[in-house]
Amino acid sequence: QVQLVQSGAEVTKPGSSVKISCKASGGNFSSHAISWVRQAPGQGLEWMGGIIPIFGTAHYARRFQGRVRITADKSTSTAYMELRTLRSEDAAVYFCARTQTELWLQDYYHMDVWGKGTKVTVSS
Amino acid sequence: DIVMTQSPDSLAVSLGERATIKCKSSQSVLYSSNSKNYLAWYQQKPGQPPKVLIYWASTRGVGVPDRFSGSGSGTDFTLTISSLQAEDAAVYYCQQYYTTPQSSFGQGTKLEIK
Repeated sequence: QVQLVQSGAEVTKPGSSVKISCKASGGNFSSHAISWVRQAPGQGLEWMGGIIPIFGTAHYARRFQGRVRITADKSTSTAYMELRTLRSEDAAVYFCARTQTELWLQDYYHMDVWGKGTKVTVSS
Repeated sequence: DIVMTQSPDSLAVSLGERATIKCKSSQSVLYSSNSKNYLAWYQQKPGQPPKVLIYWASTRGVGVPDRFSGSGSGTDFTLTISSLQAEDAAVYYCQQYYTTPQSSFGQGTKLEIK
């Protein structure tokens, strides 16, 4: 039974950075992708980017390019998402999700296992 | 970018009745080389992460009850709950992954029990 365990809630200041971890257990970390999706309070889901750990290749949503960095450590089955230059509108719950993929195409498909989410508060 | 538009934004359905949610994409998500529609449906309950219900437009996820079904092709898709149960009250999202690795979600549809 694959589980994704995310790091705890963060309280941050505008202009700072936050780094969230997502540790996988019970499955083959390297044979899937990991996506990051955020959800602002009362709002919908927004795909931020993802990584295919076996290749270490990260992909980002265009609106987050240059401000987000996604990495993965295969030795600990952990993915990370760092968001820089935080603004008040970045306050949200951030989810990691195992994403089905065709490895040789590096395609991302549906997300079938989700972490519980990490709440990020941005306040001065 | 592909824009996903769901309708309605909210609906209330009686227990045991059918619930239907629509999702329209701004361009086709049908990949001609494999005849697959790159579309998924998720259910999200308050305080929980989303759960995949349907992928490839019509394939049910593991453990998803058969009262949930997905249909459609190209730009128009439907999620149907054939006989609504109390535990189906949730927000439902469609997602396209045709523009992989980029992906986008619909705005969500809130389903309440009447």
